Amino acid sequence: QVQLVQSGAEVKKPGASVKISCEASGYSFTSYSIHWVRQAPGQRPEWMGWINAGNENTKYSRKFQDRVTITSDTSASTAYMELSTLKNEDTAVYFCARRMGNWFDSWGQGTLVTVSS
Amino acid sequence: EIVLTQSPGTLSLSPGERATLSCRASQSVGSSFLTWYQQKPGQAPRLLIYGTSSRATGIPDRFSGSGSGTDFTLTISRLEPEDFAVYYCQQYGGSSYTFGQGTKLEIK
Repeated sequence: QVQLVQSGAEVKKPGASVKISCEASGYSFTSYSIHWVRQAPGQRPEWMGWINAGNENTKYSRKFQDRVTITSDTSASTAYMELSTLKNEDTAVYFCARRMGNWFDSWGQGTLVTVSS
Repeated sequence: EIVLTQSPGTLSLSPGERATLSCRASQSVGSSFLTWYQQKPGQAPRLLIYGTSSRATGIPDRFSGSGSGTDFTLTISRLEPEDFAVYYCQQYGGSSYTFGQGTKLEIK
């Protein structure tokens, strides 16, 4: 079955960067795009961007485009999301998700990123 | 960017009752671009309904979606104990995805 397994929780100081991984299994990694969505405590999910795992094209939300980089390693069936210049308000759970059509049919378990001095 | 507004914020019902959740968009959303998710505490969102009215694999038929334009509805015909959770609508448009603020369905 389709599985997306993310790396573990991170604690970072303001101004630092964080890089989260998302390992896919159970399907052809290059046939689907991987998206990143974050959710701050008690807030709605917020879409950050995506990578076409087949050709590594990317597109980012305008809100994050200056600070986010999404990459992939097809040999490892893994996508990565790096967020730089972290602020306290970046504290959130970060999810990767597989896009099917115009929706997300499979999600990773989430990675908690805590930004605190 | 299309803004999605869900109502009510919290819905208190008993098992066996019918739940009606609303999602209103700030601009028209194509029917193939409206999705519903269920989220329980500490878990990732779970796909329920895509393309406004199509149930995802494994979703019971007590869940149904409808609507068009700017007004969409998720209906749960007879609530089961496992249905109490937060529900989000999501749309795709203008190369961007946005989510509603959620409706919390709680046990009365």
